[in-house]
Amino acid sequence: KNQVEQSPQSLIILEGKNCTLQCNYTVSPFSNLRWYKQDTGRGPVSLTIMTFSENTKSNGRYTATLDADTKQSSLHITASQLSDSASYICVVSRYYGGATNKLIFGTGTLLAVQP
Amino acid sequence: DADVTQTPRNRITKTGKRIMLECSQTKGHDRMYWYRQDPGLGLQLIYYSFDVKDINKGEISDGYSVSRQAQAKFSLSLESAIPNQTALYFCATSDGLETQYFGPGTRLLVL
Repeated sequence: KNQVEQSPQSLIILEGKNCTLQCNYTVSPFSNLRWYKQDTGRGPVSLTIMTFSENTKSNGRYTATLDADTKQSSLHITASQLSDSASYICVVSRYYGGATNKLIFGTGTLLAVQP
Repeated sequence: DADVTQTPRNRITKTGKRIMLECSQTKGHDRMYWYRQDPGLGLQLIYYSFDVKDINKGEISDGYSVSRQAQAKFSLSLESAIPNQTALYFCATSDGLETQYFGPGTRLLVL
């Protein structure tokens, strides 16, 4: 079954600290993996995208890693800020030939950054 | 102005009522999508459209219908709303490269 599981479900950290969010997937065949940030009351916004051949991608203080062999990804947030408080969603694209690849969404990790 | 807009942002309705959620985009994308988001669940695809003449069912299309009136407009209808359709609904667009751009969402409560 094609699934995307994220951990932890929720996380509280102090401002300025680092954290790492995990994503494990069983999606096959794999096309790509994205991390989205969803602020409360807003739609998700793409942070990073990685294909099979990429094992790390950065976007400012956000760094995503991908291990396609173990089917695991992580999102590392450095020097957290209050504005990082949000839900972080891992999305894996299942390959159907390109035009109609199917996106499978994780349930998200809810991050709260406290002052 | 936002690239993807949704109206209304919040809606309360009663069981059995017909309602329509509207989505407009200014990104010029051909592909548009409707999702619902429930607490503790990942986003689930309801319907998607790759151009004006193309409509496709997603994972959970039962009880919903859509209309693609133009490249920029994609509407979602609940013909007879029921309480388990209470959820957060998102419209999204993409240009075929799979990154999706989401609207702000419509919070729907069915009593």
